[in-house]
Amino acid sequence: IQLTQSPSSLPASVGDRVTITCRAGQGISSALAWFQQKPGKAPKLLIYDASTLESGVPSRFSGSGSGTDFILTISSVQPEDFAIYYCQQFKSYPITFGQGTRLEIK
Amino acid sequence: QVQLHESGPGLVKPSETLSLTCTVSGGSIGYYYWSWIRQPPGKGLEWIGYIYDNDNTNYNPSLKSRVTMSLDTSKNQFSLRLTSVTAADTAVYYCARLWRATTLDYWGQGALVTVSS
Repeated sequence: IQLTQSPSSLPASVGDRVTITCRAGQGISSALAWFQQKPGKAPKLLIYDASTLESGVPSRFSGSGSGTDFILTISSVQPEDFAIYYCQQFKSYPITFGQGTRLEIK
Repeated sequence: QVQLHESGPGLVKPSETLSLTCTVSGGSIGYYYWSWIRQPPGKGLEWIGYIYDNDNTNYNPSLKSRVTMSLDTSKNQFSLRLTSVTAADTAVYYCARLWRATTLDYWGQGALVTVSS
């Protein structure tokens, strides 16, 4: 199942509210997760089942959507949030990822 | 706290076999699904497959003909073998726990494998 993220790059300032979109090529119910990856590090799970916040993840991160359209929202960007974000579907195998969205400093 | 650590050669020659091992600490390897994921330099993530209970595997069709995964519960390890490698297989290889067979919740730090003569 193909996942398409937009935008590919997202300039933002500290304190901004930002949204990243992930669109699935077919309906996947709520079988979607979001990851954050910083340079030289493994991806970190932020959200699973489209909207469930992983333990320990700050509440400024939230996820929404079902079917084919999903959104990751950061309510107030912090300096440590500048990274690449990936969506991932687990509705069917093979598990697939979006191409990534780079959140960068404006 | 579950921790994973990849180990294996960082350089493999073209046409040879890539072999990596993931050692799991902080929990038993049993009862969970375990996955490998790779990321070519500067590119996105590709799921390679999962293993559960040694005879239950699921591989990405794009790699299925070249991939074998195995589990060693006595050592709390699982392994990846990828045959007939080319430069296109150069990547950081991650092992991860696949909770509920769906969610990649714990990851290793990654191991860079370069395919070059």
